[in-house]
Amino acid sequence: EAQVTQNPRYLITVTGKKLTVTCSQNMNHEYMSWYRQDPGLGLRQIYYSMNVEVTDKGDVPEGYKVSRKEKRNFPLILESPSPNQTSLYFCASSRDRQVGGYTFGSGTRLTVV
Amino acid sequence: DQQVKQNSPSLSVQEGRISILNCDYTNSMFDYFLWYKKYPAEGPTFLISISSIKDKNEDGRFTVFLNKSAKHLSLHIVPSQPGDSAVYFCAANDRSAGNMLTFGGGTRLMVKP
Repeated sequence: EAQVTQNPRYLITVTGKKLTVTCSQNMNHEYMSWYRQDPGLGLRQIYYSMNVEVTDKGDVPEGYKVSRKEKRNFPLILESPSPNQTSLYFCASSRDRQVGGYTFGSGTRLTVV
Repeated sequence: DQQVKQNSPSLSVQEGRISILNCDYTNSMFDYFLWYKKYPAEGPTFLISISSIKDKNEDGRFTVFLNKSAKHLSLHIVPSQPGDSAVYFCAANDRSAGNMLTFGGGTRLMVKP
């Protein structure tokens, strides 16, 4: 089954403790992206990657890092999480960034206390 | 400032009636508009799209209308069914920015039996 898999689904952590949210896709997609969803603000792009070793900032990159060492994986790293990063995070992938061709993961709900 | 806005955070409709979800945008460079549907604990899934050169696109019970002069689009669901209850996100594609998607804040639709 074609899918984007995120882990973990839920995470509660403390301020300053480094964490990684993993994202993996099995569709051989070149394009991958991370979004955060906050009430009233919709989905805002954090980082995206056009291909292996190619990453770029989205609209809200502050406080986040990403890496793309392999085509299928695109982890999101919070080096020093803060409470304002409490949010619902989605990873998405697409072949050639086709219009309407995004496949989203099921989401990771992160709480930073 | 948000380039894509959904001014109604929620909408309640009786089963069998029409649901109309609205979306406004400000960026004239948007060339495609999309609607995504999101159920709880799942990622958004693509529903329907419309090119900026068209004013209507229909797919079964779902029709999207685009009014370019007013920078407004709407999603009509007829007839509405309880299974349509979800959060709907409007999104706009900017080809000049490498097919960057900008999302609205979402509208929660509740269809009552």
